[in-house]
Amino acid sequence: GAGVSQSPSNKVTEKGKDVELRCDPISGHTALYWYRQRLGQGLEFLIYFQGNSAPDKSGLPSDRFSAERTGESVSTLTIQRTQQEDSAVYLCASSLIPTVGDTQYFGPGTRLTVL
Amino acid sequence: DQQVKQNSPSLSVQEGRISILNCDYTNSMFDYFLWYKKYPAEGPTFLISISSIKDKNEDGRFTVFLNKSAKHLSLHIVPSQPGDSAVYFCAASESNTGKLIFGQGTTLQVKP
Repeated sequence: GAGVSQSPSNKVTEKGKDVELRCDPISGHTALYWYRQRLGQGLEFLIYFQGNSAPDKSGLPSDRFSAERTGESVSTLTIQRTQQEDSAVYLCASSLIPTVGDTQYFGPGTRLTVL
Repeated sequence: DQQVKQNSPSLSVQEGRISILNCDYTNSMFDYFLWYKKYPAEGPTFLISISSIKDKNEDGRFTVFLNKSAKHLSLHIVPSQPGDSAVYFCAASESNTGKLIFGQGTTLQVKP
């Protein structure tokens, strides 16, 4: 079956522009997670969704970052007024339910470069 | 503060030998631990996990050991194969959430 997909795979933008990153989770997965990986670092948790509500947004770095999810489907991560430090690979993962022990399946990521 | 640490950025082993990847954590509330493997330009894939009520979990060539008193876990790969060459991430979670806290990763190279 289809895995987690993300688009675009690569995005180059100029400082100050807004960007939208999209994640299509595995069908039927109620939980959806966003992480980012900056160069040479591990994955940082950003936000997770249970259905279309976000019980934990604690990892969002600033109010320039926001995310939404439509039902138990597509999610969009929006970064406003991008800065160079936002350059990273943004990874999305989904799982059947948002609980420890339920395997998270990751998409290939979106590589964001802010010039 | 880094709650999950992988202090070795890289490891090189000969094919057929054992690979041991290490991970330390600081948060005593973590009660579930996972290892993910990542190839370039792909997302991480789940490898093996362990609950804090256990000290060992084995799956084929992969074994994870947990030492709660030392807040340390390790992944053993025996025998190592060239296809195991990848970045390995240790991750931890608390029981009331699926949120994962990752280490920085260790790049494993298995030489033929």
